[in-house]
Amino acid sequence: AAGVIQSPRHLIKEKRETATLKCYPIPRHDTVYWYQQGPGQDPQFLISFYEKMQSDKGSIPDRFSAQQFSDYHSELNMSSLELGDSALYFCASSSTGDNSGNTIYFGEGSWLTVV
Amino acid sequence: AQTVTQSQPEMSVQEAETVTLSCTYDTSENNYYLFWYKQPPSRQMILVIRQEAYKQQNATENRFSVNFQKAAKSFSLKISDSQLGDTAMYFCAFTHNNAGNMLTFGGGTRLMVKP
Repeated sequence: AAGVIQSPRHLIKEKRETATLKCYPIPRHDTVYWYQQGPGQDPQFLISFYEKMQSDKGSIPDRFSAQQFSDYHSELNMSSLELGDSALYFCASSSTGDNSGNTIYFGEGSWLTVV
Repeated sequence: AQTVTQSQPEMSVQEAETVTLSCTYDTSENNYYLFWYKQPPSRQMILVIRQEAYKQQNATENRFSVNFQKAAKSFSLKISDSQLGDTAMYFCAFTHNNAGNMLTFGGGTRLMVKP
């Protein structure tokens, strides 16, 4: 079965640079989520989109923005990168229209290292 | 606000034995969903099992089962016949319909299966 696809898997950026992460949700899933997992921490919710509209916002810094496109893929843009932004970034997706019981499926994550 | 607590930071079990991971949560919602996710060293977030709060029957998935005690707000994971591949970080997670399916995670339990 198709899963959530994230790219790139690994990314190294310098301080103050910009990074963009991409996510392709599971086909026919209508909701996309972004989570950030720092070293030794549990994942923290950043932002979500339902049917291409922003639906919820969590602890996402103002330097970050995200959007969902007409083909349902999503991008997380991170500007003025700081060392503390180094983390594993997960994209996840879910469907409200089937019997999955609000189950959220995660991609393999994108490792961002800021140096 | 919802909170999820995993009181066991680390656990170990001998291969082929059974282990139970604890999780408690706090919520005022009545319709919600509980999940256990496994995060192996690869850091991929893998769904293990899910439980709808309105279902009294405990969910089972092969060697994995839960003990869902709604009144006590407890949701423990039992792993039977533990295998070396079960070595991972396990996260308990909660969501409800009014949260836009946003997941709240516990702090995780690191499980080591010993040969």
